[in-house]
Amino acid sequence: DTEVTQTPKHLVMGMTNKKSLKCEQHMGHRAMYWYKQKAKKPPELMFVYSYEKLSINESVPSRFSPECPNSSLLNLHLHALQPEDSALYLCASSMLTGDIQYFGAGTRLSVL
Amino acid sequence: QKEVEQDPGPLSVPEGAIVSLNCTYSNSAFQYFMWYRQYSRKGPELLMYTYSSGNKEDGRFTAQVDKSSKYISLFIRDSQPSDSATYLCAMTLSGNTPLVFGKGTRLSVIA
Repeated sequence: DTEVTQTPKHLVMGMTNKKSLKCEQHMGHRAMYWYKQKAKKPPELMFVYSYEKLSINESVPSRFSPECPNSSLLNLHLHALQPEDSALYLCASSMLTGDIQYFGAGTRLSVL
Repeated sequence: QKEVEQDPGPLSVPEGAIVSLNCTYSNSAFQYFMWYRQYSRKGPELLMYTYSSGNKEDGRFTAQVDKSSKYISLFIRDSQPSDSATYLCAMTLSGNTPLVFGKGTRLSVIA
């Protein structure tokens, strides 16, 4: 099973809302990732967690706050987003950082 | 020069054609090479991966890596309309380094 599950599939939020995206994997992977993808562009890395510790933050604005409660779960907390943050948010996992990554189906976020 | 170059297309072929998708790269230290297929509004799906040089075949798909030329390819035989998607190449060093993606090639297979 190479499944990475993301919820919700779609999310619409206002600029003053607080929401969270969730990601879960049960493959025993120790690295988990958040990516942002705009239309017709490749995924852009946001954060990397390795053994539940943040190892890479690609200069992402503080209105995006990641959290890794345990080795199977990854959250992305959203607050005071801007319309330009509307995108497909992808979670991925790999056995270790630098290994083959498996992606979830994504959360399509619209900020109004 | 970008680390990974991939022609964005679009590429349009008739059903049954052989499709060749390619990426070139500049960093000779890359070790893992992956191809992802992404349907519209969906997450990337891992199609194939290879470690270092060589060929790998899976059904209608063949992945090739030529490290001497810094060139990777994905061949799709007997292409089907269901193969219509964006194909992303990606590669990585070992260790705590992120994936580097190509821009993706949009493929349309016409029935």
